[in-house]
Amino acid sequence: SYVLTQPPSVSVAPGQTVSLTCGGHNIGTKSVHWYQQKPGQAPVLVIYDDNDRPSGITERFSGSNSGNTATLTISRVEAGDEADYYCQVWDSTGGHFVFGTGTEVAVL
Amino acid sequence: VQLLQSGGGVLQRGGSLRLSCAASGFTFTNYPMTWVRQAPGKGLEWVSGISAGGGYTYYADSVKGRFTVSKDTSKNTLYLQMDSLRAEDTAIYYCTKGLPATHGPIGAFEIWGQGTVVTVSS
Repeated sequence: SYVLTQPPSVSVAPGQTVSLTCGGHNIGTKSVHWYQQKPGQAPVLVIYDDNDRPSGITERFSGSNSGNTATLTISRVEAGDEADYYCQVWDSTGGHFVFGTGTEVAVL
Repeated sequence: VQLLQSGGGVLQRGGSLRLSCAASGFTFTNYPMTWVRQAPGKGLEWVSGISAGGGYTYYADSVKGRFTVSKDTSKNTLYLQMDSLRAEDTAIYYCTKGLPATHGPIGAFEIWGQGTVVTVSS
């Protein structure tokens, strides 16, 4: 089955830029979506189709996807960005959706 | 746009439960829907999906044959019928509204319900 690998955690200082990776075989051929989940809350879609932002999502969130790695970049990080972030794709071979393992972002 | 969930609870292994997700603020028949769950302290796991018109359904291997997803367009409500429940089905269950897809049958999960807790005791 298709596997998406994310680093378990990352730390970043306020005002800095952080890049969260999502690794998968030939992921560049798929559409990648990213979700933010804060403790005790439902996830929120922050990037869809590799690099599109839903209405209401700050432009500080951006995405890219190529080769075997997709990336979510958060610019000018704020304390409110502290959350778990999950990538997701549709695995056409298995006929199901796959979520990454998730990255916990800590703002120092 | 809102998804209001109901139907969670505590039950014994082997039991059945139906989750509901009432949709409002959008044309229910125009969008695919899905169910996603999250076990305590764990990540997100996709469970099931259904096409906009309800004619196509999709399931994770872990629930195939035990769970059934459906849409009642007269009530603007999504359902997940869960049978033969196991301890490993214990989780928060979220319903989502999907975007039209560029890859696959359903796009990104745009809107999420508030979640409902299902606990299966062994």
